[in-house]
Amino acid sequence: DTGVSQDPRHKITKRGQNVTFRCDPISEHNRLYWYRQTLGQGPEFLTYFQNEAQLEKSRLLSDRFSAERPKGSFSTLEIQRTEQGDSAMYLCASSTRGRANTEAFFGQGTRLTVV
Amino acid sequence: DAKTTQPPSMDCAEGRAANLPCNHSTISGNEYVYWYRQIHSQGPQYIIHGLKNNETNEMASLIITEDRKSSTLILPHATLRDTAVYYCIVRVGTSGSRLTFGEGTQLTVNP
Repeated sequence: DTGVSQDPRHKITKRGQNVTFRCDPISEHNRLYWYRQTLGQGPEFLTYFQNEAQLEKSRLLSDRFSAERPKGSFSTLEIQRTEQGDSAMYLCASSTRGRANTEAFFGQGTRLTVV
Repeated sequence: DAKTTQPPSMDCAEGRAANLPCNHSTISGNEYVYWYRQIHSQGPQYIIHGLKNNETNEMASLIITEDRKSSTLILPHATLRDTAVYYCIVRVGTSGSRLTFGEGTQLTVNP
């Protein structure tokens, strides 16, 4: 297992277009998180899943944003009608909560540029 | 989660110890201190965490004051690859919950 994988690594899109990012967590990690990071700032929490259930969403996650984790494995984050303010690094992390707790492991992120 | 305060930047000479401070004066009894770092263009990486005792692992040592209002992350022999933003985070529980990142400390290790 090579860790948390995110795809694509970079995405440039025109304002108003929809984009979708994918995150593949570490195998058997039951928790998956999405964060957003803008330049010079620390990552900001967006949402997290335990298995396929979305347990918490930040106020940052406007109605243009939707995240899914249909089978409790990979997750997708979709942004509809992108705006320039959506330009950021989108980070995914996974961890295990249960018999063997682990800390959050992060992927390398997807850098979104909205032009 | 309790707020943390870190200096925005620090410099360290290669091979010397890097001591990164963090203030968390409003920490509660059930809150842990976590440290993550983020090397440029990569995702954050877990370093270490502790509740009240000092902790050491292969990456670093964590010294927490007796009143738990501050802590210091120590990289005993800093290398150029330790240049990164270091985040001190305080949160309830040992795992599973969200991480609230501040702006961190930019550590630059100089040759």
